[in-house]
Amino acid sequence: GAGVSQSPRYKVAKRGQDVALRCDPISGHVSLFWYQQALGQGPEFLTYFQNEAQLDKSGLPSDRFFAERPEGSVSTLKIQRTQQEDSAVYLCASSPRRDGNYGYTFGSGTRLTVV
Amino acid sequence: GQQVMQIPQYQHVQEGEDFTTYCNSSTTLSNIQWYKQRPGGHPVFLIQLVKSGEVKKQKRLTFQFGEAKKNSSLHITATQTTDVGTYFCAGTGRGSYIPTFGRGTSLIVHP
Repeated sequence: GAGVSQSPRYKVAKRGQDVALRCDPISGHVSLFWYQQALGQGPEFLTYFQNEAQLDKSGLPSDRFFAERPEGSVSTLKIQRTQQEDSAVYLCASSPRRDGNYGYTFGSGTRLTVV
Repeated sequence: GQQVMQIPQYQHVQEGEDFTTYCNSSTTLSNIQWYKQRPGGHPVFLIQLVKSGEVKKQKRLTFQFGEAKKNSSLHITATQTTDVGTYFCAGTGRGSYIPTFGRGTSLIVHP
């Protein structure tokens, strides 16, 4: 596609429910990031993939968060047993390069609200 | 870990006034990127600076990277209502592929 596509656009989950957020990066993009953005804050790093390899997951807040990119294209961020503090916008970004030169293209994000 | 501080958090200006946002890193950076996020939107890449002391211009926007590669600024000349949004810097440390974002500066332009 022409850009980074994320789905769903909005998700309301009951506390304790599991959710899965999808990211379709630009075709051929090597690097893929997940960021979490709380209201009024900058994006906070969650995890990073180069192709199918998850090279850094140090930003994942707890073991309830899990991300995968099995074929080096589409990525899924899964949150188990959601809590209210998980409410945020989850952004996916991709780049054609490993080093991120020329910047990252962000998707429109998934706004997760846990009630 | 690496921290990126950005000031001010908010800036109100009258249309036609200038605007500057500043970014400071706790560690030396390999590069710094700037993004713009419109209200309700997602970050959009503006530019990347790599060299010490580098200055780049995009129309009314001027970006600078400090000599020590630890700070950066974005200056907008003669703001317009279309400039409204939050401007983020994102610094990448040496040997890393992961940009750390600042908190952003929200620019409000009054017509």
